[in-house]
Amino acid sequence: QKEVEQNSGPLSVPEGAIASLNCTYSDRVSQSFFWYRQYSGKSPELIMSIYSNGDKEDGRFTAQLNKASQYVSLLIRDSQPSDSATYLCAVTMYSSASKIIFGSGTRLSIRP
Amino acid sequence: SQTIHQWPATLVQPVGSPLSLECTVEGTSNPNLYWYRQAAGRGLQLLFYSVGIGQISSEVPQNLSASRPQDRQFILSSKKLLLSDSGFYLCAWTSGSNQPQHFGDGTRLSIL
Repeated sequence: QKEVEQNSGPLSVPEGAIASLNCTYSDRVSQSFFWYRQYSGKSPELIMSIYSNGDKEDGRFTAQLNKASQYVSLLIRDSQPSDSATYLCAVTMYSSASKIIFGSGTRLSIRP
Repeated sequence: SQTIHQWPATLVQPVGSPLSLECTVEGTSNPNLYWYRQAAGRGLQLLFYSVGIGQISSEVPQNLSASRPQDRQFILSSKKLLLSDSGFYLCAWTSGSNQPQHFGDGTRLSIL
């Protein structure tokens, strides 16, 4: 089992709809969870951090964490063509909090 | 504010040539520093990380090495490049455990 798993996509969502991106992780005691956006040919940029169970909202983005199910998700409301990118889920490992394990990413495409 | 600089942006090298990529961070002290490689269409592979001057942890066996001669400087090197060393090299920093990583703009390395 991979430490951080994401569906590679592509996920195609119509403009204005909600895009839902999902991620599962294997380390039951992971403490920190992050979502990054990576445009083609560019470096990843941090869009959300979440540390406790529940929802965290920032503008059009909502991160959801369920530690019991080892599941973290990212919702993007009112999707825009500029949201088309690869979204990387990242999790710190309890065994080494200095390291972040990245999922392989979900490619999101917003169709006009 | 903190910034991370990585250079060069692109590099074309012949097989068997040496390599030196440099990364520096400004606006923070004692950061954790990371080198990743990303093959085309793939996820991030952690190569090395450092929690302090002279402290290097290697994640995968390869012909690459890393050094941290100063607090905010991280260097990735190779004595002899292989074709398989091609990829997008990313440097990242974080302020400490369980904190998000912030990436430089990356170096796209092509081996001929």
